[in-house]
Amino acid sequence: QVQLVQSGAEVKKPGASVKVSCKASGYTFNSYDINWVRQAPGQGLEWMGWMNPNNDYTNTGPLQKFQGRITMTRDTSISTVYIELSNLRPEDTAVYYCARGNRVYATGHDSLPLDYWGQGTLVTVSS
Amino acid sequence: EIVLTQSPGTLSLSPGESATLSCRASQTLSNNNNYLAWYQQKPGQAPRLLISGASSRATGIPDRFSGSGSGTDFTLTIRRLEPEDFAVYYCQQYGTSPPWTFGQGTKVEIK
Repeated sequence: QVQLVQSGAEVKKPGASVKVSCKASGYTFNSYDINWVRQAPGQGLEWMGWMNPNNDYTNTGPLQKFQGRITMTRDTSISTVYIELSNLRPEDTAVYYCARGNRVYATGHDSLPLDYWGQGTLVTVSS
Repeated sequence: EIVLTQSPGTLSLSPGESATLSCRASQTLSNNNNYLAWYQQKPGQAPRLLISGASSRATGIPDRFSGSGSGTDFTLTIRRLEPEDFAVYYCQQYGTSPPWTFGQGTKVEIK
């Protein structure tokens, strides 16, 4: 069965960086995008970006909301995608989720919703 | 950026009643492909996919959940609410142009 398992909770100080992992299993890792979505306490869902594990392509949308603070990487040998958020601020305190998205092919993709989600990783930013 | 506006913010209903949730997009979703999804989220849990392509139920989703709509106006209907259906529901557009925005959510609470 498809599973996305994320790393554990983190507590960081403002200005530091955090790296969250998402290990995929139960499907062909390179065949689907992995998206990152976060949820601040008591708030709604905020899409952060996606990575295509097949070719390393990433997309965080056109508005540069995170001002270049996001880095997404992957290690195909262990079917794991990472998101790193730098220069942390207290307002980055949230649960961070990874979720499977588009089916990708050599010449294109099928647009798909986020059908499988990780369990979430709480990142707390506090001095 | 496509903005999704959900209404109402909160819906207070009793088990057995029906719920109608609305999601309006600030522009037409791409080529009328209706890349609009609905998710259910319960406290302390990750969201769960209910509906994709505006009207297709995800695997294992009961048929009391149905989605409809096209263009800019979409609806999630839950017939005969069960106790486990009381949760927060989000719509999301995922195929037109990034960012894949979410609505702000509708909470369905027990009256």
